[in-house]
Amino acid sequence: GDSVTQMEGPVTLSEEAFLTINCTYTATGYPSLFWYVQYPGEGLQLLLKATKADDKGSNKGFEATYRKETTSFHLEKGSVQVSDSAVYFCALSGAAGNKLTFGGGTRVLVKP
Amino acid sequence: DTEVTQTPKHLVMGMTNKKSLKCEQHMGHRAMYWYKQKAKKPPELMFVYSYEKLSINESVPSRFSPECPNSSLLNLHLHALQPEDSALYLCASSQGAGGAHEKLFFGSGTQLSVL
Repeated sequence: GDSVTQMEGPVTLSEEAFLTINCTYTATGYPSLFWYVQYPGEGLQLLLKATKADDKGSNKGFEATYRKETTSFHLEKGSVQVSDSAVYFCALSGAAGNKLTFGGGTRVLVKP
Repeated sequence: DTEVTQTPKHLVMGMTNKKSLKCEQHMGHRAMYWYKQKAKKPPELMFVYSYEKLSINESVPSRFSPECPNSSLLNLHLHALQPEDSALYLCASSQGAGGAHEKLFFGSGTQLSVL
């Protein structure tokens, strides 16, 4: 079945540091890939998505590129802020379209 | 209005109680979802309603009973829960009825504690 693996956290960074969160997936066919973010005490919000190979999703300074050859969708941000402290979930939507498969989540803590 | 609203935000119940969680969206979305999230874990899908009909039930115990009274409302009725059912219950909606590219809109959740 479909699965998503992402790096375990917590990831602790200083403000303005570079952030990378690795995500790899296993799926049949051509899934859509997503990054969701969960701030403390809140539900999940879509951060960005990509629907086909080589697509780049971007939002709020975050980027991720759909790499089919390496089955990866790594999240990057060039300069993080304290407000980026949250849990980040990589997810895919496969053949059963309305069923998201989530990775385990990566907690990111940005210190001033 | 781009929100999914869940009530209550917090709920404490005993194992013999009956309670309901409520979810509402006014975005005209045709699919609505219940997820369960344990602490420091990803959300797990419980139920999906498409066009007000139950389309996915992820083998959830019968002590959880979903209901979709209309296209804007989704309820989750709880009865005879166990302490291990304590979790954050998230409602979500999506515009269509199940395309692979669809964005899910999540509510802030109901934090449930079963004593």
